[in-house]
Amino acid sequence: EPEVTQTPSHQVTQMGQEVILRCVPISNHLYFYWYRQILGQKVEFLVSFYNNEISEKSEIFDDQFSVERPDGSNFTLKIRSTKLEDSAMYFCASSERLAGGVGELFFGEGSRLTVL
Amino acid sequence: AQRVTQPEKLLSVFKGAPVELKCNYSYSGSPELFWYVQYSRQRLQLLLRHISRESIKGFTADLNKGETSFHLKKPFAQEEDSAMYYCAHSGYSTLTFGKGTMLLVSP
Repeated sequence: EPEVTQTPSHQVTQMGQEVILRCVPISNHLYFYWYRQILGQKVEFLVSFYNNEISEKSEIFDDQFSVERPDGSNFTLKIRSTKLEDSAMYFCASSERLAGGVGELFFGEGSRLTVL
Repeated sequence: AQRVTQPEKLLSVFKGAPVELKCNYSYSGSPELFWYVQYSRQRLQLLLRHISRESIKGFTADLNKGETSFHLKKPFAQEEDSAMYYCAHSGYSTLTFGKGTMLLVSP
């Protein structure tokens, strides 16, 4: 069964460093998402992406964040200058249809980011 | 703002007992609601959606517009049901999760 894959599974970085988290969505899916979960807190929406554009983003997704689909398979989340509060589990997801169109989201296993 | 509320952080029951995981929503109109589940060391996955009115792994959830609720129920809990359960609603291109309820089923 096809799955969303994410790399790295865990990354430790120094505050102020740039981080790129990578995701390979399911191949026939058209909609891509990033979520994050700070330890002990809820899963929070960051951004949705379709047709090489951001569809929607949350307040969390400020100028320090960017997303890209550099080729036909990868979907990346870049944090330009990491802060301590960026430490979290980051989940990538993909869907055939928009979430709002009763589309099911398929999640990756997550990338744990630790900012020191 | 549209949101879903899961009032319980933890629900602990014995095997064979009935389970009800609560979810209330604040939304005007017809919400699209889901339950997602995350088993230990596994990825977040869809359990069921209100529009399909199906039963998955013995779980059901009925949308109650009068009470603005979408509680998840199972008549007889099994140990393998132990997991984190998230109620979620969908916007135009987002899925917004509640805080989640950890269900622990003891033997």
